[in-house]
Order: sequence, then C-alpha cells, then structure tokens
Amino acid sequence: DQQVKQNSPSLSVQEGRISILNCDYTNSMFDYFLWYKKYPAEGPTFLISISSIKDKNEDGRFTVFLNKSAKHLSLHIVPSQPGDSAVYFCAASAQTGANNLFFGTGTRLTVIP
Amino acid sequence: EAQVTQNPRYLITVTGKKLTVTCSQNMNHEYMSWYRQDPGLGLRQIYYSMNVEVTDKGDVPEGYKVSRKEKRNFPLILESPSPNQTSLYFCASSLRRGNSPLHFGNGTRLTVT
Repeated sequence: DQQVKQNSPSLSVQEGRISILNCDYTNSMFDYFLWYKKYPAEGPTFLISISSIKDKNEDGRFTVFLNKSAKHLSLHIVPSQPGDSAVYFCAASAQTGANNLFFGTGTRLTVIP
Repeated sequence: EAQVTQNPRYLITVTGKKLTVTCSQNMNHEYMSWYRQDPGLGLRQIYYSMNVEVTDKGDVPEGYKVSRKEKRNFPLILESPSPNQTSLYFCASSLRRGNSPLHFGNGTRLTVT
C-alpha cells in the first residue's frame, strides 16, 4: 500500500519554463515532507523540505507547496534548466518517533534545451 | 568530503551464497538506514539503526540482517540470497531521526541468479 504517490512517471519541459512535480499522500500523520533528486548511477540527494506548519518553502529556483487538506504537495522549478533533468522523489515522515521516510515512486523530469 | 560509501557498486551472485554489502559514513551520524529501490515501488526501508548496537526492522526486512558495531559502519547481510532480492540498494545516514534529511550512498546493484 503506497502511502506516498507520484502519479506522473515522467514530465518533459522546455528550458526556461516552469516544472511542476506533484505528490499525494494518504497518511494524515505525516508532517514532514522532502524532495530528493536522483541522477543515474548516483544516490538520491536532498533538495528541499517542508514542515506541516508551513504551506510554502522556497530555496532559489525550487519551491515546495503543501496543501494539507488535500494531502498534496508539489515542487516547482523556475526556470527549469537542462541540469535539472533527473528523477525526483517525494518523501514523507511523521516526525514524532519517525524512523522511516516513505518514498513515492519518482517522476523523471526531462528539461529540453 | 562528507559522504556515505557503499561497496560493491555492482554484485552478481547465485542463490544461497551469503554476501555482505558494506556501508560507511564519515559524518558522525547517529542514524543509518538501508533501502531498496524497485521499479514501480519507490524506495522501501529494510532496516535502520538509531545508534551503535541499536537496530530495528523497516518495511521489508525479510531475508536481511544488519549490524551496527561502530557508529560509522552499517553492513547489510544476505545470509541466503534469493532472486527476489535482486534490486538496487541504498545506504543512508542522517544526524538524527525525524526531520533530518538523509544522505545517501551511490547504490549497490545486486543481481541474484
């Protein structure tokens, strides 16, 4: 039973445009959310996180939005660059006693020059 | 350089032949964890360790063992590998559990024939 879902396996975007990656979760106990980026032959690297007390967190070109009532978060990349082409994983945890991150299945982003 | 190092990167073995995948981190992290990544399933936690001599099962622990005798090392042991353990394995560490991002190794691709 997948508690974190990324329903789009792939996304293609033109360079300079906005990339929007979506993630849904089912567990209402989740209160900490992260995005990881993964290049081929490398491990995932942490990109940005958000706590449930916020609805937006921004870091340079990357912004994560959280809609708790809809159990939905999204990652916006503006402007998209070819180097952003990677697989993006959404992850979630319940901070209290958290010992595990639950990951989505990933979305492969391709930024076309 | 702060990193999580896994070895080997690639491993092909036969059913029933015991193997160990090593993991070492140089960041003095308390928390370490093993994940496996399979198509359509994302990353799933196998085992985790809160500190030296403290380990516990994740979501998919069957067929695996771990040990944490030193803070920096967290080996994954397959006593009798089977073909359904063919997967991409990632070791990860973080300063503490909860809202502390995981740092991942570059992965070990295991094939069991």
